[in-house]
Amino acid sequence: QTVVTQEPSLTVSPGGTITLTCASSTGAVTSSYHPSWIQQKPGQTPRALIYSTSNKYYWTPARFSGSLLGGKAALTLSGVQPEDEAEYHCLLYYGGGALWVFGGGTKLTVL
Amino acid sequence: QVQLQESGPGLVKPSETLSLTCTASGVSISGYYWSWIRQSPGKGLEWIAYIYSSGSINYNPSLRSRVTLSVDTSRNQVSLELSSVTAADTAVYYCARAGHNYDADYWGQGTLVTVSS
Repeated sequence: QTVVTQEPSLTVSPGGTITLTCASSTGAVTSSYHPSWIQQKPGQTPRALIYSTSNKYYWTPARFSGSLLGGKAALTLSGVQPEDEAEYHCLLYYGGGALWVFGGGTKLTVL
Repeated sequence: QVQLQESGPGLVKPSETLSLTCTASGVSISGYYWSWIRQSPGKGLEWIAYIYSSGSINYNPSLRSRVTLSVDTSRNQVSLELSSVTAADTAVYYCARAGHNYDADYWGQGTLVTVSS
């Protein structure tokens, strides 16, 4: 069974920069996994932030960026705002079986 | 704008079948994959399956044997059935559109389904 691993929790100060990562048990994450990132604020519906590694939706704030880093997908928040406190989920696409697998989520605290 | 709305019973008895419908507005069901995703209390997201508007389906292998998906293009709806439910199936169930970039770009508000006698 394929497992996607994220940091369970991270803390960042307002105005700071932080990077969240997403690893696959099958090996290095590449662009062919079409990594995407989803934000879920407490008690709210998930909202897509990044698709295909680094592309933003029109509603995605500029301070969010996606990349590949050391064999993992990465989400970087620059100039963190208090309203960025949320759970961040990564989603990988496994083309062999046309499957989606979500990571366990990273709870980001802004403190 | 794209809106998705899940509907269905909020309470299902153990061993019975959970049935949910997702109605799309602001977008046609045709030409996209539509996914069901769930989130157990305090847990992460779990992909259940997705269905193309033509009826082609891909499943999470761990749930495949219990999942039935269908699409009704005339009503702009997709539906989920999950059979033989247990307490472990208690979750918020979301429908989401699978965008053309293998992403889940639009999400419904989700509906809580509790499995209990």
